[in-house]
Amino acid sequence: KAGVTQTPRYLIKTRGQQVTLSCSPISGHRSVSWYQQTPGQGLQFLFEYFSETQRNKGNFPGRFSGRQFSNSRSEMNVSTLELGDSALYLCASSRQTGGGTDTQYFGPGTRLTVL
Amino acid sequence: AQKITQTQPGMFVQEKEAVTLDCTYDTSDQSYGLFWYKQPSSGEMIFLIYQGSYDEQNATEGRYSLNFQKARKSANLVISASQLGDSAMYFCAMRLPTGNQFYFGTGTSLTVIP
Repeated sequence: KAGVTQTPRYLIKTRGQQVTLSCSPISGHRSVSWYQQTPGQGLQFLFEYFSETQRNKGNFPGRFSGRQFSNSRSEMNVSTLELGDSALYLCASSRQTGGGTDTQYFGPGTRLTVL
Repeated sequence: AQKITQTQPGMFVQEKEAVTLDCTYDTSDQSYGLFWYKQPSSGEMIFLIYQGSYDEQNATEGRYSLNFQKARKSANLVISASQLGDSAMYFCAMRLPTGNQFYFGTGTSLTVIP
């Protein structure tokens, strides 16, 4: 069974540009969550999508947005990039059958560098 | 409020020895899930082990076991017979039944010494 895939794996952008990251969940998984990881702030929750709807959102500015498609694939977009957006962006999927047992499985991440 | 606390920023262990990574959590929910993930330098978060709040037995997965003490709200990860490949960051996480958000700790960097 294929794991969570993320594309691209590495990305270099300049300030002011925008970027779109893609995540394909494990087959059968309906929930996709996004995280930002930096050395200074650690792992921070961005948002979670389920059945094409954003269910949870972390404390990030509106420049960060996402969406989920009918096949559960998800994209996140960051507009007007800032130097502080340089980070590892991790996507995780879960089956979302309910309860606390649902495990999140992570993709390899996209490493974004903003120059 | 911090829901997951990992107080050990870095740990060292001799190869073949056992090591315990600490994790305490904070929730008033009765139903919750506790998870441990390993993150090697490559960046991918690898799921290691899960413990449900109603599970009476401590979870085990190969060389990993979770020492679950519900009254103390702790969920320590025990790695037996450490290997060089165990060198990585380890994150403790909790999932609450409301919503699907995971709460992660700040992580513990484990270094296995040959």
